[in-house]
Amino acid sequence: DAGITQSPRHKVTETGTPVTLRCHQTENHRYMYWYRQDPGHGLRLIHYSYGVKDTDKGEVSDGYSVSRSKTEDFLLTLESATSSQTSVYFCAISESTGLGNTEAFFGQGTRLTVV
Amino acid sequence: SQQGEEDPQALSIQEGENATMNCSYKTSINNLQWYRQNSGRGLVHLILIRSNEREKHSGRLRVTLDTSKKSSSLLITASRAADTASYFCATSNQAGTALIFGKGTTLSVSS
Repeated sequence: DAGITQSPRHKVTETGTPVTLRCHQTENHRYMYWYRQDPGHGLRLIHYSYGVKDTDKGEVSDGYSVSRSKTEDFLLTLESATSSQTSVYFCAISESTGLGNTEAFFGQGTRLTVV
Repeated sequence: SQQGEEDPQALSIQEGENATMNCSYKTSINNLQWYRQNSGRGLVHLILIRSNEREKHSGRLRVTLDTSKKSSSLLITASRAADTASYFCATSNQAGTALIFGKGTTLSVSS
């Protein structure tokens, strides 16, 4: 398995609290992604990073921020958690995307419940 | 909006039958990928087909790509119960900086 670790794996938090999810990789891949997966919606891209300190928004970025201060770590922060952010969050990494023709590797996911 | 859309949303077959799922996309691509997700797990890469390829095989998997119709299909031959999973297609965004996934096809193979 690719060296990609998400933490925590499960979390229950209260509405209005900040939450940070961590994705750590040991593959030295350039690209990192955060997705959320919800029934009926499949995987939706929240934010992605194409290098250290280089990030951009995805389809569902409202209410989320990210940071990437070093190659191996990509943090996803819910600034003030809401019940609509209850979801399973997946981190993924890849050496490149469309131009580079390589696959993505996924973490095991973080199940977040906002009560 | 999502680049790829899989069809059907759900598919139920018997062991030994073939399973075909389709993916349509909107813009030009460099490549298209298929992934599998077992229940409660992360996605796993199955196969990548480049825009200049029309067909690709990997074991019991056969993927076709028709760039004129902006569509791809994944065929799983001689399905097994272990093939029960959700299957997703993925392409890159127009800037080539992110992978965009469809909503997936849920395959159920019964013995």
